[in-house]
Amino acid sequence: DADVTQTPRNRITKTGKRIMLECSQTKGHDRMYWYRQDPGLGLRLIYYSFDVKDINKGEISDGYSVSRQAQAKFSLSLESAIPNQTALYFCATSETGDTYEQFFGPGTRLTVL
Amino acid sequence: AQSVTQPDIHITVSEGASLELRCNYSYGATPYLFWYVQSPGQGLQLLLKYFSGDTLVQGIKGFEAEFKRSQSSFNLRKPSVHWSDAAEYFCAVGAFTGNQFYFGTGTSLTVIP
Repeated sequence: DADVTQTPRNRITKTGKRIMLECSQTKGHDRMYWYRQDPGLGLRLIYYSFDVKDINKGEISDGYSVSRQAQAKFSLSLESAIPNQTALYFCATSETGDTYEQFFGPGTRLTVL
Repeated sequence: AQSVTQPDIHITVSEGASLELRCNYSYGATPYLFWYVQSPGQGLQLLLKYFSGDTLVQGIKGFEAEFKRSQSSFNLRKPSVHWSDAAEYFCAVGAFTGNQFYFGTGTSLTVIP
């Protein structure tokens, strides 16, 4: 089984709808991250969490919120989806410490019409 | 500010030919450097990483990268490309603060027979 899983893998929704993307991990890592990927822009950090009680904004947090329900679960919400949030979203995890290596989930492709 | 530049958006090579993907970074201290590969429809997989020590780093799938401090570069190389190497390649730098990654915009590799 995959160490980092994301659900759903694909989602099409309409403008104004609330959407939640979920991420679960079995790696036992404390740190979790949400990125979005857009063609030509690489990956940009939305939010990150160093533990259950620690949530931090990343480079592009506007229009998004997150919830760290447990060490293993980190959800990303779009309260009112808009078309320019159409992107590929990745969850990642890393250990506490200075290794900095991140482990990525398979991604969720979100389309907002 | 930290940044990563991948000057080549797209590269096409023949199967069996050598490959070099360029990466330049801007960072105020000795960086932690990474190369990830993203196959179509997949998440990101770590190819190799540099933290310290030998500046020539070996990775998976026959890839290697060389850290050159004087040129602020961390170029990825492979002596003989296989058709299965066709993918998107991302260079990233890890920052000491916030355990954050800064990704380049990626280089798309096409391999022709």
